[in-house]
Amino acid sequence: GAGVSQSPSNKVTEKGKDVELRCDPISGHTALYWYRQSLGQGLEFLIYFQGNSAPDKSGLPSDRFSAERTGGSVSTLTIQRTQQEDSAVYLCASSYGTGRLNQPQHFGDGTRLSIL
Amino acid sequence: GQQVMQIPQYQHVQEGEDFTTYCNSSTTLSNIQWYKQRPGGHPVFLIQLVKSGEVKKQKRLTFQFGEAKKNSSLHITATQTTDVGTYFCAGPTVSNFGNEKLTFGTGTRLTIIP
Repeated sequence: GAGVSQSPSNKVTEKGKDVELRCDPISGHTALYWYRQSLGQGLEFLIYFQGNSAPDKSGLPSDRFSAERTGGSVSTLTIQRTQQEDSAVYLCASSYGTGRLNQPQHFGDGTRLSIL
Repeated sequence: GQQVMQIPQYQHVQEGEDFTTYCNSSTTLSNIQWYKQRPGGHPVFLIQLVKSGEVKKQKRLTFQFGEAKKNSSLHITATQTTDVGTYFCAGPTVSNFGNEKLTFGTGTRLTIIP
């Protein structure tokens, strides 16, 4: 079946512009996660959704970052007034419910964001 | 907050040599997962360990969960060029808001010298 789909795969934009990243999880996966990965670095947790609600927003770097999920499916991560330090690969993952977090996470190919 | 650390951060080995990465948590984990990320790719789930002292094998890969369920290791026997990548462990941790989430370790990047 289809895996996690992210779009766009690459995004180049000017500093100060807003960007919107999209994640389409695997059908039936109720949990959805956003991570950020800078070049050669580990995974930085941003936010996760259980259904449409986000129990933990503590990973969002600043109030320029926001995310939403509608219909328990597609999620969008929005970065307003982008800064050069926002340049990174943004990865989305989905899994079956978070109960005891014993479900593997399935990752998309990511969106490579470059801020000029 | 709770942390999941991995050592070493980098490992360069000759092809055919063994490789081990270690994962340590500041708290007891209900389970530990391992992922592999190839260069330019995304993390891919390898395995999950649940029981204290559990050992699982996948061909040349051996995964172990510590008795106290606070540490884990991944050992690769006779590395091959296809083993190149970054290996992450991940375990459930509780955020400052009391929510449980999967926290990824810092990763170990393995490079193979042919």
